[in-house]
Amino acid sequence: EIVLTQSPGTLSLSPGEGATLSCRASQNIDSSYLAWYQQKPGQAPRLLIYAASSRATDIPDRFSGSGSGTDFTLTISRLEPEDFAVYYCQQYGSWYTFGQGTKLEVK
Amino acid sequence: QISLKESGPTLVKPTQTLTLTCAFSGFSLTTNGAGVGWIRQPPGKALEWLGVIYWNDDKRYSPSLNNRITINKDTSKNQVVLTITNMDPGDTATYYCARRGSYVFRAGRLYLFDYWGQGTLVTVSS
Repeated sequence: EIVLTQSPGTLSLSPGEGATLSCRASQNIDSSYLAWYQQKPGQAPRLLIYAASSRATDIPDRFSGSGSGTDFTLTISRLEPEDFAVYYCQQYGSWYTFGQGTKLEVK
Repeated sequence: QISLKESGPTLVKPTQTLTLTCAFSGFSLTTNGAGVGWIRQPPGKALEWLGVIYWNDDKRYSPSLNNRITINKDTSKNQVVLTITNMDPGDTATYYCARRGSYVFRAGRLYLFDYWGQGTLVTVSS
């Protein structure tokens, strides 16, 4: 089973700042099979990024993804108030596993 | 417009069997490549994939529940049913169903969970 480890566990930033979230895999992943989701309290996860860097439908361009091999990054430029949430990475190349999440909170 | 909605009991006793239904619209589970998955999330914890059923009735389950879980579909009703036997308090979670959508990428296709239901909280307690 591929284990995904996200860091940091919690990230405290202010609106307008940039955010960098990390996802490390226990073994190499084809970047085609790495996704990022956003989850707000009481809501279902929302697909943000697939194939490591492709934005899903209607996702603002302040969200971007990058990475390859075992290290992947979600970058949010110019944080908006609605961006404060929990973010999960997921691999879907060898069944499906999720990271433990990074909570992005208002500083 | 794609939507999914989970339904079923909110409280289950230990050792009982949980049955949840996912009713969906806006896509067909008879389309080549389509699928519906189940994912759960214990309170305050991370997401855990449970299983998936494909358009051709193939099924795959997480090894962590492999001998307790069954997923079936009724394409005439646009429903997918999750069954987990021998429920335990550790199975307390919000259960989500999600569509396995298809995306054109480079020279092929990618399949991933793109639309999710709102989730239903199931508590296991005597």
